[in-house]
Amino acid sequence: EADIYQTPRYLVIGTGKKITLECSQTMGHDKMYWYQQDPGMELHLIHYSYGVNSTEKGDLSSESTVSRIRTEHFPLTLESARPSHTSQYLCASSEGGLRGWGEQYFGPGTRLTVT
Amino acid sequence: QKEVEQNSGPLSVPEGAIASLNCTYSDRGSQSFFWYRQYSGKSPELIMFIYSNGDKEDGRFTAQLNKASQYVSLLIRDSQPSDSATYLCAGPTGGYNKLIFGAGTRLAVHP
Repeated sequence: EADIYQTPRYLVIGTGKKITLECSQTMGHDKMYWYQQDPGMELHLIHYSYGVNSTEKGDLSSESTVSRIRTEHFPLTLESARPSHTSQYLCASSEGGLRGWGEQYFGPGTRLTVT
Repeated sequence: QKEVEQNSGPLSVPEGAIASLNCTYSDRGSQSFFWYRQYSGKSPELIMFIYSNGDKEDGRFTAQLNKASQYVSLLIRDSQPSDSATYLCAGPTGGYNKLIFGAGTRLAVHP
């Protein structure tokens, strides 16, 4: 079983609030990812990291930011939440190697609702 | 054209039948593909990985990669109701550091 955790699992928050979604993994993986997924829809990569102090934007434009100060921790921050940010946010991690880079372990997700 | 394309389904098969899920991709240089399964309300989990042409079998699952035709398939033999889920095909993008996921095919196995 993968050891990757996300908190909170559910969050309902008002417009304009600053929020941070937490993601931690205990597997020592260098690569970590944030995806956004609406119910029944595609997974979209919004941020990724190759290691400490390395972050990149993904394929889907996002107003969120990320940081990677420690290998195990990859938080995502929204400075000012809007209703358009309502979605499911999934964190994942992977190791390197022929298969490892694509074998991503997903956390349970954070369901965010902005009112 | 999307980098990885799948028929969204739903694909409905009777219990015990073979379910065939397909995926096409646009990057001719791609050599590795992954199949993830996502149950409703849950996170994706990896079920198969295939590298290079040919077939790879794991239990009831067989993944096939055809580079000439640029498609990947997943066969599920002796389908069970517990196989009912969305199956996501994923391949490399931006070098071998990121995955691009297809939209997923929803499979329904009925008793």
